[in-house]
Amino acid sequence: ETGVTQTPRHLVMGMTNKKSLKCEQHLGHNAMYWYKQSAKKPLELMFVYSLEERVENNSVPSRFSPECPNSSHLFLHLHTLQPEDSALYLCASSQVQALGNIQYFGAGTRLSVL
Amino acid sequence: EDQVTQSPEALRLQEGESSSLNCSYTVSGLRGLFWYRQDPGKGPEFLFTLYSAGEEKEKERLKATLTKKESFLHITAPKPEDSATYLCAVQVHSGGSNYKLTFGKGTLLTVNP
Repeated sequence: ETGVTQTPRHLVMGMTNKKSLKCEQHLGHNAMYWYKQSAKKPLELMFVYSLEERVENNSVPSRFSPECPNSSHLFLHLHTLQPEDSALYLCASSQVQALGNIQYFGAGTRLSVL
Repeated sequence: EDQVTQSPEALRLQEGESSSLNCSYTVSGLRGLFWYRQDPGKGPEFLFTLYSAGEEKEKERLKATLTKKESFLHITAPKPEDSATYLCAVQVHSGGSNYKLTFGKGTLLTVNP
């Protein structure tokens, strides 16, 4: 397995469900990111972990909860979501969060909230 | 507030018809400008990084250029397989030793055979 892998690829959940998105990187990187991609909007940075420490949290609602147990794995725990949270959630990784370091993306999880 | 604007939103070309995509930016302290390609159902794929005005980079039919206010992605003699959404992002300092990317909305390129 190479690159950045996200599971599941598709997820449909009700507003009262609890689910988790998983991201795993096989690139030896030590920074990981969650982005939200909605139609007609730019990618929105949600969370950043650098060396397993959360270094950025862009005013994301508390119904989204990230977890980074080690430098290869990143989770996004979801609970009591709203229909407007339906979007493509992308995970990325890089070699620390430094100048010029390229972020490599997974294929994303397409989330639909009913 | 950092802003990245891409134009046009969508571009339809015939195979072999060269054109350019634009990315203009307003940021406080540009550290780098990135171009990504995104195919339907996939995550963005890295293409180029540019750091200073006047810099150019090429890859196959693509050439990226950078000025102090904007970047262009030139596509020469495109093929249908070049059809994708092209994303521009600027890298800025976000505090301490950290940097972040701010993305534009992208240009959807369709190349017809």
